[in-house]
Amino acid sequence: EIVLTQSPGTLSLSPGERATLSCRASQSVSSSYLAWYQQKPGQAPRLLIYGASSRATGIPDRFSGSGSGTDFTLTISRLEPEDFAVYYCQQYGSSLHTFGQGTKLEIK
Amino acid sequence: QLQLQESGPGLVKPSETLSLTCTVSGGSISSSSYYWGWIRQPPGKGLEWIGSIYYSGSTYYNPSLKSRVTISVDTSKNQFSLKLSSVTAADTAVYYCARTNWADAFDIWGQGTMVTVSS
Repeated sequence: EIVLTQSPGTLSLSPGERATLSCRASQSVSSSYLAWYQQKPGQAPRLLIYGASSRATGIPDRFSGSGSGTDFTLTISRLEPEDFAVYYCQQYGSSLHTFGQGTKLEIK
Repeated sequence: QLQLQESGPGLVKPSETLSLTCTVSGGSISSSSYYWGWIRQPPGKGLEWIGSIYYSGSTYYNPSLKSRVTISVDTSKNQFSLKLSSVTAADTAVYYCARTNWADAFDIWGQGTMVTVSS
């Protein structure tokens, strides 16, 4: 089973700043099957990025994904107030989906 | 647009079977492009994939839950269902149904339903 480890656990930033979230896999992940989600309190997760770098429908271009192999990154270029939430990475491989433990992005 | 809605009991007794249904509206569950899955989230914790199904009935499950999970599909009702047997308090969670796109990402989610396991 591939384990995804996200860092940092909590990221404190101000609106307008740049956020960089990391997702590291215990073994190589196909870039085609790496996704990122945003979850706000009381809401279902929302798909942001799939295939490591493709934005889902309706996702603003301030969100971008990159990486390959075992290291992946979600970047939010300029934080808006609505971006403060928990972010999860997720991978699919060998008929198994796994999620990272999440990064909480909080207002500084 | 496509919407998913979970339904089922919010309270289940320990050792019993949790049963939930996901109703798909605004599109067909029989689309050849997608799988349909269940994910859960214990209070204050992260996301755990439970299992997924294709409209043909083909399934794959999380090995950690496989012995207790059954996912089925009813294309005539545009629904798919989850059964989790021998539940304990550790199965208390918000249960989500979701569609899986071609990149095996969960692109459309239901709103989630809270299930508490308690006597």
